[in-house]
Amino acid sequence: DQQVKQNSPSLSVQEGRISILNCDYTNSMFDYFLWYKKYPAEGPTFLISISSIKDKNEDGRFTVFLNKSAKHLSLHIVPSQPGDSAVYFCAASLIQGAQKLVFGQGTRLTINP
Amino acid sequence: NAGVTQTPKFQVLKTGQSMTLQCAQDMNHEYMSWYRQDPGMGLRLIHYSVGAGITDQGEVPNGYNVSRSTTEDFPLRLLSAAPSQTSVYFCASSYPNSDTEAFFGQGTRLTVV
Repeated sequence: DQQVKQNSPSLSVQEGRISILNCDYTNSMFDYFLWYKKYPAEGPTFLISISSIKDKNEDGRFTVFLNKSAKHLSLHIVPSQPGDSAVYFCAASLIQGAQKLVFGQGTRLTINP
Repeated sequence: NAGVTQTPKFQVLKTGQSMTLQCAQDMNHEYMSWYRQDPGMGLRLIHYSVGAGITDQGEVPNGYNVSRSTTEDFPLRLLSAAPSQTSVYFCASSYPNSDTEAFFGQGTRLTVV
């Protein structure tokens, strides 16, 4: 039972354009959502997060949108840069703290020059 | 600032052997967790701890043991390795606050033959 789903295994975007990564979840009790970026042979690194009481959070080139009625969140990267090429995971938390994260399968983003 | 340190980075085990994956953090985080990542899947929670002496099971705990005797260390033990435990293992730590991220180690790539 996959509670957090990233239905696009891969995404290819031209440098300078917008990258949009999507994530769906099934458990309406999730309270907090995070996006992680992962390079090969490295651990995931935190990118941006959003609380369930908000519908948007922005940090530089990265914006996360949350649509609770649709149980959907998305990560927008604009403009996309070659260094953004990585696997992106969305994650969700049911409880206070980040000790029990539920992850999606990941989306491999490739930025083409 | 070392953050979360995992050792070893690579390990090959024979079926039935035991070993301990080490994880240490120097951020004084109360919460620590172990995840495994398999191809095409997101990270799945094995065990987690909310403080020294307190551990609990995650989504995929079978075949693994943990203990937390200090705030800094959270070792993961494989009692009798099986090929199904071939995976990349990540340790994470975080503060006990809501709306906080988890910090991940570099990972341990384990192969059981």
